[in-house]
Amino acid sequence: SAVISQKPSRDICQRGTSLTIQCQVDSQVTMMFWYRQQPGQSLTLIATANQGSEATYESGFVIDKFPISRPNLTFSTLTVSNMSPEDSSIYLCSARGQVNTEAFFGQGTRLTVV
Amino acid sequence: KNQVEQSPQSLIILEGKNCTLQCNYTVSPFSNLRWYKQDTGRGPVSLTIMTFSENTKSNGRYTATLDADTKQSSLHITASQLSDSASYICVVSAGSNDYKLSFGAGTTVTVRA
Repeated sequence: SAVISQKPSRDICQRGTSLTIQCQVDSQVTMMFWYRQQPGQSLTLIATANQGSEATYESGFVIDKFPISRPNLTFSTLTVSNMSPEDSSIYLCSARGQVNTEAFFGQGTRLTVV
Repeated sequence: KNQVEQSPQSLIILEGKNCTLQCNYTVSPFSNLRWYKQDTGRGPVSLTIMTFSENTKSNGRYTATLDADTKQSSLHITASQLSDSASYICVVSAGSNDYKLSFGAGTTVTVRA
């Protein structure tokens, strides 16, 4: 199994500012992902964090708004840039090993933009 | 349209009772199906993972079933406890690389004493 530490756990931010969320896994993993979860809704994949290269973004998400880094196999960051109230959500980091194995999640970052 | 549909959206049960949650999916080609439990304010935690060839898997009081022909899965909770109050999310992955997960909206279970 893998333990994922995500921080901050929550934050209240002013619109127009940026917040960087950190994700640390306690073991080397093959894949890392960032999700967004609106209250009462399912998780939406933002991007796959690729080690040593640019992240792969899903439709509707762009690098300028959500820059992602993954400098090694156990660490990744997601930045929410130029925030607006619409960015208020829970952001979750996830990590996986090989095919058909468990996907582990961090505890999430609850972001409120005011 | 979401490729993973869960029902009911929410339910309330008395402590000690059993309940069954449903998941229907259209994801193709199917790779595996996972059930997660998400407590309020926490990240999802894996309960079970089933591949095409598995039709039932248990994890304590949680038993998941899978019918890959009808593309249906269920999660049965036996002898519910107050700590079972959570959202239960069905997650289906497709393709040979399995990396893309499709999430259901979840079923919110409330267990009352």
